[in-house]
Amino acid sequence: GAVVSQHPSWVICKSGTSVKIECRSLDFQATTMFWYRQFPKQSLMLMATSNEGSKATYEQGVEKDKFLINHASLTLSTLTVTSAHPEDSSFYICSATTTRGLFSPLHFGNGTRLTVT
Amino acid sequence: DAKTTQPTSMDCAEGRAANLPCNHSTISGNEYVYWYRQIHSQGPQYIIHGLKNNETNEMASLIITEDRKSSTLILPHATLRDTAVYYCIVRVADNNNDMRFGAGTRLTVKP
Repeated sequence: GAVVSQHPSWVICKSGTSVKIECRSLDFQATTMFWYRQFPKQSLMLMATSNEGSKATYEQGVEKDKFLINHASLTLSTLTVTSAHPEDSSFYICSATTTRGLFSPLHFGNGTRLTVT
Repeated sequence: DAKTTQPTSMDCAEGRAANLPCNHSTISGNEYVYWYRQIHSQGPQYIIHGLKNNETNEMASLIITEDRKSSTLILPHATLRDTAVYYCIVRVADNNNDMRFGAGTRLTVKP
């Protein structure tokens, strides 16, 4: 159980375009989802926290107008990288948890590798 | 959340036990110790977590010292597929809480 699915697993886009990444919880209701970014040879950095039905909370230094997060349902959150630039090329990972039921660990998707040319 | 300290890298021979240490000297009473691992180009995989008692599951064992200031993750019979970066994280027992990753330990299992 507790499967988190991300789509796409990789994407290449041109500079200036926007890219949407989906994160789905397949077998549980994800009341909270988290988005991380990971550059090569570095650890995961938390970008934002989203609770279903409310606005996302962004970490310091993360532009909310550039990284649009929508968490409209209990099984889906999306991250849209707007006006992408080559420096946005990174590995984006989502995770999900639920506040319903017992305390549980976070479960992570398999990540989306974004390359901006 | 409290910070953790892990060695940057470790090697282990295939078939041997891999013991990965973690220091979390400022851990609070309501913080759990979590271990995740990340195989190259994949999302982190949950391994095990505990509060103060030792824990064991099908993947690993977690030994937490009595003062809770450090812990050890044990992979009893390491295989080549266990080569990964292992992260030790402390997190408050609240499902709304995020997880903050440190640098982790890069474990290389060698034949």
